[in-house]
Amino acid sequence: QKEVEQNSGPLSVPEGAIASLNCTYSDRGSQSFFWYRQYSGKSPELIMFIYSNGDKEDGRFTAQLNKASQYVSLLIRDSQPSDSATYLCAVNYGGSQGNLIFGKGTKLSVKP
Amino acid sequence: ETGVTQTPRHLVMGMTNKKSLKCEQHLGHNAMYWYKQSAKKPLELMFVYNFKEQTENNSVPSRFSPECPNSSHLFLHLHTLQPEDSALYLCASSRSSGANTGELFFGEGSRLTVL
Repeated sequence: QKEVEQNSGPLSVPEGAIASLNCTYSDRGSQSFFWYRQYSGKSPELIMFIYSNGDKEDGRFTAQLNKASQYVSLLIRDSQPSDSATYLCAVNYGGSQGNLIFGKGTKLSVKP
Repeated sequence: ETGVTQTPRHLVMGMTNKKSLKCEQHLGHNAMYWYKQSAKKPLELMFVYNFKEQTENNSVPSRFSPECPNSSHLFLHLHTLQPEDSALYLCASSRSSGANTGELFFGEGSRLTVL
């Protein structure tokens, strides 16, 4: 059974701090990794993707991938109250749309 | 119009009713999806269409019947549903299949309640 695990939270951080969201996956054959943000009552929106080991930065967001440890994370620097949302980790096990598996999501709360 | 639009946004139906959910994408994508989102559960893939052809049916009960007349439109026909089918049904699209597929664009969803 291929799985994507996330701590459901809530993760609470003060405004301006770094929020660290973590995700582990079970299948070593995984090829691509995605972070989606879902505001309450809204649909998920893609914010980051990463395909290779290491870090990928986009503005205040950094995705980190460690395939040896089967671990992917999302760092949000200078967290803002507007970052409060549920963050979904998704992993593609390879080759087709049907192989995209989502985690349950981590709820992040940024306190002013 | 832009993006992925879904109608209706909210639907209440009895167990014996027949209804349909509609999805339309204006992004020029070739793949469309139906996902189910229930409380405390991960997003569950239901169906995938690529260039109008169904490529995935993720063991979905036959009371859910998808239809994809063209690459821009996707329907989910509902009949004799159960209360446990109450959930948010999300439509998504993407450019095409491939090893890095996962860049999905979601609609706002249709909130379904089955009485």
